[in-house]
Amino acid sequence: EPEVTQTPSHQVTQMGQEVILRCVPISNHLYFYWYRQILGQKVEFLVSFYNNEISEKSEIFDDQFSVERPDGSNFTLKIRSTKLEDSAMYFCASSRVTSATGELFFGEGSRLTVL
Amino acid sequence: QKEVEQNSGPLSVPEGAIASLNCTYSDRVSQSFFWYRQYSGKSPELIMSIYSNGDKEDGRFTAQLNKASQYVSLLIRDSQPSDSATYLCAHPALNNAGNMLTFGGGTRLMVKP
Repeated sequence: EPEVTQTPSHQVTQMGQEVILRCVPISNHLYFYWYRQILGQKVEFLVSFYNNEISEKSEIFDDQFSVERPDGSNFTLKIRSTKLEDSAMYFCASSRVTSATGELFFGEGSRLTVL
Repeated sequence: QKEVEQNSGPLSVPEGAIASLNCTYSDRVSQSFFWYRQYSGKSPELIMSIYSNGDKEDGRFTAQLNKASQYVSLLIRDSQPSDSATYLCAHPALNNAGNMLTFGGGTRLMVKP
């Protein structure tokens, strides 16, 4: 069964360092997303990506964040200068159609710990 | 801010009982609703979607939607210990292109053998 894969599963970094989280969405899906979940809190939307551009982003997704689909298969989330409050589980997701009507398939997540 | 509210629980039910999970939402124009299950330390997994008022049944799961009262519920019949998880209610935020799901905080369900 096709699945969304994410790497790394866990990353520990120092405050101020750049982090890149990688995702391989399901191959025939057209919409890609990043969500995050701070420990014990809600799953929060960060950004959606369609047709090689950002289609929506939340207030959380400020100038420190960027996304890219560099090679037609990988979908990356970059945090330029990490802060302590960026510590969270980051979930990549993809869907065949818009999430308004379709199912999101989530990867297993990348846990980011900022020290 | 469009909110989705859930009782955090834990909701504890004995094995074989019916578990009833509720969710209220504030966005009156929301048309579709989703229930995701999240095991501890894992990612959310869609278990039910519902788009119109009334009930929708899928195996042991029944989703109920009442748009007038702005609530959606999930019933789990014959609850099993493997159903122990956090159940997340979600809907698309329709003041945008519809690609953003707003999640509730989830209700933790514990099914005791």
